[in-house]
Amino acid sequence: GQNIDQPTEMTATEGAIVQINCTYQTSGFNGLFWYQQHAGEAPTFLSYNVLDGLEEKGRFSSFLSRSKGYSYLLLKELQMKDSASYLCAVRDGNAGNMLTFGGGTRLMVKP
Amino acid sequence: DGGITQSPKYLFRKEGQNVTLSCEQNLNHDAMYWYRQDPGQGLRLIYYSQIVNDFQKGDIAEGYSVSREKKESFPLTVTSAQKNPTAFYLCASSTSGFSYEQYFGPGTRLTVT
Repeated sequence: GQNIDQPTEMTATEGAIVQINCTYQTSGFNGLFWYQQHAGEAPTFLSYNVLDGLEEKGRFSSFLSRSKGYSYLLLKELQMKDSASYLCAVRDGNAGNMLTFGGGTRLMVKP
Repeated sequence: DGGITQSPKYLFRKEGQNVTLSCEQNLNHDAMYWYRQDPGQGLRLIYYSQIVNDFQKGDIAEGYSVSREKKESFPLTVTSAQKNPTAFYLCASSTSGFSYEQYFGPGTRLTVT
């Protein structure tokens, strides 16, 4: 099985930087995804990491360390519209590449 | 334009009734998925289908059934055997089984009283 942990809630200020952590335990790691989900809406894909290191996409970056079972999503120049839940999901190669999602981190951006 | 549609957005049913949630995609994706989302628990996989006329149970399939008669459609039936059916249900699709990225529909919020 898999265990994925993320903080339940975070608060940050508009214009600032926030880092959302995700730790996981899995026997067949085959990639980690970050999704953004606004309340009552569908999750939308943000990033994908399968090798160690940092992937940058505009204001969003995602980092992976496979040896530590650790990833983070970094959001820069926060905007009010970034208030949402951020879901970490791990793909398990030993389970037909099924995705297991963490509980999500609800981020509130304040003026 | 291409995408995934789920209907209705909100659904109310009485306990003991079966209910079917619709999911349609015009992305020409082979794989489709159903997830359930409860507050603070993330998404949990109910069923998935990697090809027409084939589907597999996910982590929480009990009390649910699916069919995949057409590539575009993957309806989910919530049966009376499901103990706690009230939840937010999300359908997703991808080009192939659990490939790089899954695209999600807008979801159906089911309330059973």
